[in-house]
Amino acid sequence: GDSVTQMEGPVTLSEEAFLTINCTYTATGYPSLFWYVQYPGEGLQLLLKATKADDKGSNKGFEATYRKETTSFHLEKGSVQVSDSAVYFCALSDQTGNQFYFGTGTSLTVIP
Amino acid sequence: EAQVTQNPRYLITVTGKKLTVTCSQNMNHEYMSWYRQDPGLGLRQIYYSMNVEVTDKGDVPEGYKVSRKEKRNFPLILESPSPNQTSLYFCASGFRTSGTYEQYFGPGTRLTVT
Repeated sequence: GDSVTQMEGPVTLSEEAFLTINCTYTATGYPSLFWYVQYPGEGLQLLLKATKADDKGSNKGFEATYRKETTSFHLEKGSVQVSDSAVYFCALSDQTGNQFYFGTGTSLTVIP
Repeated sequence: EAQVTQNPRYLITVTGKKLTVTCSQNMNHEYMSWYRQDPGLGLRQIYYSMNVEVTDKGDVPEGYKVSRKEKRNFPLILESPSPNQTSLYFCASGFRTSGTYEQYFGPGTRLTVT
């Protein structure tokens, strides 16, 4: 079945460092791909998405590109801030768009 | 304010005592869904609904029931809770775009079954 694998954490970075969180997927057909962010004690918020191959999603300085050839959707940010400290989840919706699969989450801590 | 609300936020109960977690959204979204979040397992989808009276199983539906009698509400029912259903539960609602749904999540319900 469909699934998402993302890099294990936790990840600790200094402020202004470059961030990459790896995400790969297994899916039938053409899934849509998402990154969600969860701040402590809160629900998930959509960070960005891409719905077809080679699409780049971007938001708040974060970017991810839908790579069908490598079945990947890695999250990147050029310069992280303390306020980016959170848990990041990679997710996909199946080819119907109705059912969702999430990765295990990657905890990011940014230190000043 | 556009939001998804869940009640209760925290619940401690005993094995076998039926419970309902309510979920309500005020965004007129057609799609609603329930997830559970467990350490090391991420979020797993329990049930989803694409419209009133239309529900379908997610990845981990065993032990749960749902109903969608009104567009804004999507309660999660545990008829006979067991300790392995101790978890953090999230409700989400969403709108259709580009062949999928953009989801908005509630604040979560922490359930402990003893």
